[in-house]
Amino acid sequence: AQTVTQSQPEMSVQEAETVTLSCTYDTSESDYYLFWYKQPPSRQMILVIRQEAYKQQNATENRFSVNFQKAAKSFSLKISDSQLGDAAMYFCAYRRSAGANSKLTFGKGITLSVRP
Amino acid sequence: DTGVSQDPRHKITKRGQNVTFRCDPISEHNRLYWYRQTLGQGPEFLTYFQNEAQLEKSRLLSDRFSAERPKGSFSTLEIQRTEQGDSAMYLCASSLEAPTEAFFGQGTRLTVV
Repeated sequence: AQTVTQSQPEMSVQEAETVTLSCTYDTSESDYYLFWYKQPPSRQMILVIRQEAYKQQNATENRFSVNFQKAAKSFSLKISDSQLGDAAMYFCAYRRSAGANSKLTFGKGITLSVRP
Repeated sequence: DTGVSQDPRHKITKRGQNVTFRCDPISEHNRLYWYRQTLGQGPEFLTYFQNEAQLEKSRLLSDRFSAERPKGSFSTLEIQRTEQGDSAMYLCASSLEAPTEAFFGQGTRLTVV
């Protein structure tokens, strides 16, 4: 079974600074997808960024980028120029490749606070 | 399109009562998922529909839980004889065929007293 581990329950960052959120996972699959989701206090989960395991290039979406280390099974999220609106819970998630039930396996999440 | 809609947003019920939640996915999405999220935890998969067919159920889904998706549109999740341990946020998500992203609703928060 696949597992996703987020070992840091909370992190804090100063506005405009950079923060990195860590995630490790375990799988025997070679093809899969990894995600970071954001869950603001209103509770609706929003996709931040997605990484396909077969792609060596790290995904980037504006201020958000990932460091994907497939051999180490590590998938960290870097948020640059942090903004107050980035404060939320962040979940790392895994999904098997297309063709299978595309359910998501989530980590426990990390609460990110942004200091003005 | 207003995204994934869940109703009600909050539900308080007495132990032993039955409750039913509704999820309206994004209209063209054929895949629909239910997840349960307890405080301080990530969402956990409960069940999955492709169109009207329920293709997978988690072992978390006891016999007291049942889900339907008639005509492959909206879905309902019913919990019979609720227990305090059922208190959680119930999230619904929908997607097109993988590998597209899943879109989540705002969830239904259930409190069993």
